[in-house]
Order: sequence, then structure tokens, then C-alpha cells
Amino acid sequence: DAGVTQSPTHLIKTRGQQVTLRCSPKSGHDTVSWYQQALGQGPQFIFQYYEEEERQRGNFPDRFSGHQFPNYSSELNVNALLLGDSALYLCASSFTVGDTQYFGPGTRLTVL
Amino acid sequence: AQKVTQAQTEISVVEKEDVTLDCVYETRDTTYYLFWYKQPPSGELVFLIRRNSFDEQNEISGRYSWNFQKSTSSFNFTITASQVVDSAVYFCALSEARDRDDKIIFGKGTRLHILP
Repeated sequence: DAGVTQSPTHLIKTRGQQVTLRCSPKSGHDTVSWYQQALGQGPQFIFQYYEEEERQRGNFPDRFSGHQFPNYSSELNVNALLLGDSALYLCASSFTVGDTQYFGPGTRLTVL
Repeated sequence: AQKVTQAQTEISVVEKEDVTLDCVYETRDTTYYLFWYKQPPSGELVFLIRRNSFDEQNEISGRYSWNFQKSTSSFNFTITASQVVDSAVYFCALSEARDRDDKIIFGKGTRLHILP
């Protein structure tokens, strides 16, 4: 039973560029959440997708957007990258809204 | 506003010692969930436990145990007979059930070193 998978593992971009990160939820899960974890900090909630719609959002600017596909996989897009966007981006899936969230291995984004 | 405080930034203990990681939380909700996650060097957050606010029973799972005390807003985690493989960053976290608020608020984590 595959867990949550994320791609790519690592990514290096320059300021001003755009990036897309991908997440496949655990089998049987329909809800996907994204978190940003800066170095030495706890993860911070970006947003959550359910039924292909963003149902909840944390305190992140509109440069951060996402999408959920009919197969429940999800993408996180970040436009106009800033140095401060360098972080580990974690995807979590849950059986449904309100259920325990299980995390993937993350994508480490470095912005130069 | 909701908040999770892990006052211990870093702890080092010798293998086989017991160690307790402290967690204090703040919330205005009466219904909420508390969590512990483990983050080994690989980076993946590993789920350890979820506890709802109405269940104050302590829980034991192998060498792990959790002590939930509503009166002091604490949810402490103890590892008994620690092992080198327990070395990781441990996060305590909170989510509020009001309006099916699903976001998890994490503490800053406690880095645990188990020395051989």
C-alpha cells in the first residue's frame, strides 16, 4: 500500500520563476493538504483540497495556488518566487476531511 | 488564537534512558485534536498519535506513552528505554474541530539526540 508520494524530491529555481510541485495521496484518500516548512521551524498550513476545490487556506499570498485532479492527486504552484520561498514543501492526505493527515517525504525547494 | 509551544528546543540523552518531550497548547475551542509527529533526517513526517479533547486517558504504545492533561493544557510524550533510532525532531500539533477546521498548527519541534 503506497503512502503519499511527492515529486520532485529537490528543485532549484531562481527568483521570479514559477514552480509546480506534485502530490499523489495515499490509496483511498480524497483530501490533500499542503504545508511549508522553513528550516528549523514547524510546518505551516498553506491550503487544503477536497472534491477538486480549495476548501481552506492558511495565511499565504495569492502567489501560492493549487489544483486537485479527479484522481485526487494535487499540484502546488508558486509564482514569482522569492528567496523566502525556499523551504520543504509537504503534502498530506487524509481519508476525508477531518481525518488524520499522513505526510509525504516532501519537496525541497531552493530559490537562488 | 491557537498556539502550540514546545519549550525544549533540543534534548540529548544516553541510550536506554527515558525522556519526556513537553507540549503546551492554547485554544479557545472545546473540541480539538492533539497530535505528535516524528520527523527523522529523511524529512518525512511520521504520524504517531491523534487524541481528541474529550479523551483524557493516557495512552501507551510500546515504548511510547502520552500524558494529556486538560487542566494544564499539556500533551507530553515520553519515550521509555530510548534507542538511537528514536533520534529525530518531534512535533506536537493541534487542530480545532470548529467549522471542520482541518489545518494543523505545529509547534517548533524538539530535536532529540539519543547517544549510543
